[in-house]
Amino acid sequence: DQQVKQNSPSLSVQEGRISILNCDYTNSMFDYFLWYKKYPAEGPTFLISISSIKDKNEDGRFTVFLNKSAKHLSLHIVPSQPGDSAVYFCAASEDSSYKLIFGSGTRLLVRP
Amino acid sequence: NAGVTQTPKFQVLKTGQSMTLQCAQDMNHNSMYWYRQDPGMGLRLIYYSASEGTTDKGEVPNGYNVSRLNKREFSLRLESAAPSQTSVYFCASSELEGWEQYFGPGTRLTVT
Repeated sequence: DQQVKQNSPSLSVQEGRISILNCDYTNSMFDYFLWYKKYPAEGPTFLISISSIKDKNEDGRFTVFLNKSAKHLSLHIVPSQPGDSAVYFCAASEDSSYKLIFGSGTRLLVRP
Repeated sequence: NAGVTQTPKFQVLKTGQSMTLQCAQDMNHNSMYWYRQDPGMGLRLIYYSASEGTTDKGEVPNGYNVSRLNKREFSLRLESAAPSQTSVYFCASSELEGWEQYFGPGTRLTVT
């Protein structure tokens, strides 16, 4: 019973275009959401987060959108660059606690 | 400033053998975590330590024990390894519970 779902295992995008990675969750008590990026043979690195009191958070080329009524969040990368090719995990927690629940990841390939 | 370090990087065990995975962080973080990552399942929390002297179970604690040796170090022990524990293990730390977590490079463990 996955509480955080990333239904697209992979995504391929042309360099310069927008990448949209999606994440759905089932637990309405989640109030803090994060995106992590992972390169092969490395640990995940924190990318961007959003609290449930917001519906959008931007950091440079990365924007996360939260739709609480749909229990859906998305990560937009504009413009996409070949160095963005990695596996992206979304994660969620209740009461900003230590217990992060991760999705299964989406592998993004940005083609030059 | 090395961040989060893990040893060993790779390990092969026979069923029934024991071993300890080591983790250290040099960021003066209070909280530390152990995760495992299996194909198609994202990362799952095994144990965490909110602060020096405390440990608690995560999502999948069975078959593991942990020790928070001091503020810097958090070890994970497998007393009697089983093939189901074949996985990639990540250690992470955070300044406070619920803040973004910083991950080590991982230990790839195979149990035959």
